[in-house]
Amino acid sequence: KQEVTQIPAALSVPEGENLVLNCSFTDSAIYNLQWFRQDPGKGLTSLLLIQSSQREQTSGRLNASLDKSSGRSTLYIAASQPGDSATYLCAVSSWDNYGQNFVFGPGTRLSVLP
Amino acid sequence: EPEVTQTPSHQVTQMGQEVILRCVPISNHLYFYWYRQILGQKVEFLVSFYNNEISEKSEIFDDQFSVERPDGSNFTLKIRSTKLEDSAMYFCASSNTGGGYGYTFGSGTRLTVV
Repeated sequence: KQEVTQIPAALSVPEGENLVLNCSFTDSAIYNLQWFRQDPGKGLTSLLLIQSSQREQTSGRLNASLDKSSGRSTLYIAASQPGDSATYLCAVSSWDNYGQNFVFGPGTRLSVLP
Repeated sequence: EPEVTQTPSHQVTQMGQEVILRCVPISNHLYFYWYRQILGQKVEFLVSFYNNEISEKSEIFDDQFSVERPDGSNFTLKIRSTKLEDSAMYFCASSNTGGGYGYTFGSGTRLTVV
């Protein structure tokens, strides 16, 4: 059974810092991996999706990498801003359901201080 | 930007009562999902729905749960006889393709069972 973990559980940084969030998964036979952002009282917003054959994806100040063989992914946030404060969730899908359904990690709660 | 709409935002119900959580997916999406998040815990997959039938369900989705697409726009989750442990945030999501692409979540319905 796939298990997803994320470290750290919480992170507080001053504005402008670059930071890295980590995700690990136990079964490397994933279909894809997706990073989501969750704001209090709101739904989940997809940030980046990495196919199992890819090594990284970039969107603006965000860069996600995937090392499937070691069961790890990182989300790099450059030049952090207070508006980046949220919980970041890592989720993986499997070939069993052709990537439709996700197993989520517990999230990293990020606070960016002005 | 198209949204997934969920109603109500918060529902309180007595143990043993039936509840129906409602979702309006994005209009051209074909895949529909329900997830839940118990307070302080991970987001968990419940069920996926495609072509008017359940395509996959988790162990959580037992006989007390059912889903329906009663018309061309709504997607509902029914819990027949609620238990205290059903208290959670329930998220609806939709996507226009399989494979995890274009996953859009609603803002969730907070269900409180008393």
